[in-house]
Amino acid sequence: EVQLVQSGAEVKRPGAAVKISCKVSGYTFSDYYIHWVQQAPGKGLEWMGLVDPEDGEAMYVEKFQGRVTLTADRSGDTAYMEMSSLRSEDTAIYYCVTGGPGGSVGYAFWGQGTLVTVSS
Amino acid sequence: QPALTQPPSASASLGASVTLTCTLSSGYSNYKVDWYQQRPGKGPRFVMRVGTGEIVGSKGDGIPDRFSVLGSGLHRSLTIKNIQEEDEGDYYCGADHGSQYNFVWVFGGGTKLTVL
Repeated sequence: EVQLVQSGAEVKRPGAAVKISCKVSGYTFSDYYIHWVQQAPGKGLEWMGLVDPEDGEAMYVEKFQGRVTLTADRSGDTAYMEMSSLRSEDTAIYYCVTGGPGGSVGYAFWGQGTLVTVSS
Repeated sequence: QPALTQPPSASASLGASVTLTCTLSSGYSNYKVDWYQQRPGKGPRFVMRVGTGEIVGSKGDGIPDRFSVLGSGLHRSLTIKNIQEEDEGDYYCGADHGSQYNFVWVFGGGTKLTVL
């Protein structure tokens, strides 16, 4: 069974950094990209970028470029999303997502989400 | 890159049917679209993918037969028959474009489905 299990909720001060983990199981981690999606309170879904666990290469939506770092640890089958210089508008639920395991079509596998609250 | 447009809200009575629409921007009529369901307080759940025709691949885990899709031109629709209370929530469509170093994944603004 494919599973993506994320780390727990975080509360951070403005200007701080946060690092969220996403541990996968049930498939070969390096075979499929891990994507990250942001959902601000009461808002829709916004794709942030992806990391290729095979080689660690990442790409970012321009909005998050420079403040977000996506990494992957193949030894632990875990992907990470680190965001720096946090501001109140970064308060959101962050999801890791993948697609493809088991021959699946579409982005069928989502983590449970991690709530990051930025507040002074 | 494609843009996806969804009406902000829809409603249907218990047991009735409803069709949710997602419209691709001009020039992207051959794109596949994924549908996601997000129940209140829960994370998104993959429903199914639709291209120019019917479903592409399989439905997401646990998606009942009451859910179906259809694609025509720039429109990608999700129809829910015999609506149940559990179907209430937000529905998003999404589409991806490109390859690793030139990749984009975009979502529509979502449609809030209310079951009356």
